[in-house]
Amino acid sequence: GAGVSQSPSNKVTEKGKDVELRCDPISGHTALYWYRQSLGQGLEFLIYFQGNSAPDKSGLPSDRFSAERTGGSVSTLTIQRTQQEDSAVYLCASSLGGQGTQETQYFGPGTRLLVL
Amino acid sequence: LAKTTQPISMDSYEGQEVNITCSHNNIATNDYITWYQQFPSQGPRFIIQGYKTKVTNEVASLFIPADRKSSTLSLPRVSLSDTAVYYCLVNDYKLSFGAGTTVTVRA
Repeated sequence: GAGVSQSPSNKVTEKGKDVELRCDPISGHTALYWYRQSLGQGLEFLIYFQGNSAPDKSGLPSDRFSAERTGGSVSTLTIQRTQQEDSAVYLCASSLGGQGTQETQYFGPGTRLLVL
Repeated sequence: LAKTTQPISMDSYEGQEVNITCSHNNIATNDYITWYQQFPSQGPRFIIQGYKTKVTNEVASLFIPADRKSSTLSLPRVSLSDTAVYYCLVNDYKLSFGAGTTVTVRA
């Protein structure tokens, strides 16, 4: 079956431009997560969506970052006025439901963002 | 918030057993312990999950002592393809992974 997909796989942009990253979760998964992984670093939580509940945005590093999830499925992570320190791999994951480690998270391949 | 501590790296040889210990002193009563594996240029992949005692699947074993303040992932008879970064995850409101352990398997 189809796993989590992300697009684009690679994105190169200029400092100050806005970028949109897309995530298609596994069908039927109600929970969706965005993470960021900088070179040689562990995973940093950004935002979490669960069903129709208000998203947990506590991991977003600044107000330049925002995310939406439409229709409980596809999600878009938007970074406005990109900075060089935003360069990283942005990973999306989905799980069947619920918050916490009881639910296995399935990850997409990530979007590699490079801000010049 | 539950925080995890793992060794930064471990080296091994093909056919050996690799044991990675993760410390999580502030684990909550309802928290599970989950391990993920990540290869370069790929997203993390679920390996194993447990709550207490021992869990075994076709890939690994997970040992959790009674106080649950640590856990040990055991990879039996590793091969070159087991070279990866291994992450220990304990429920954290921000769902953040630990720093990970880079396991390098040599021939």
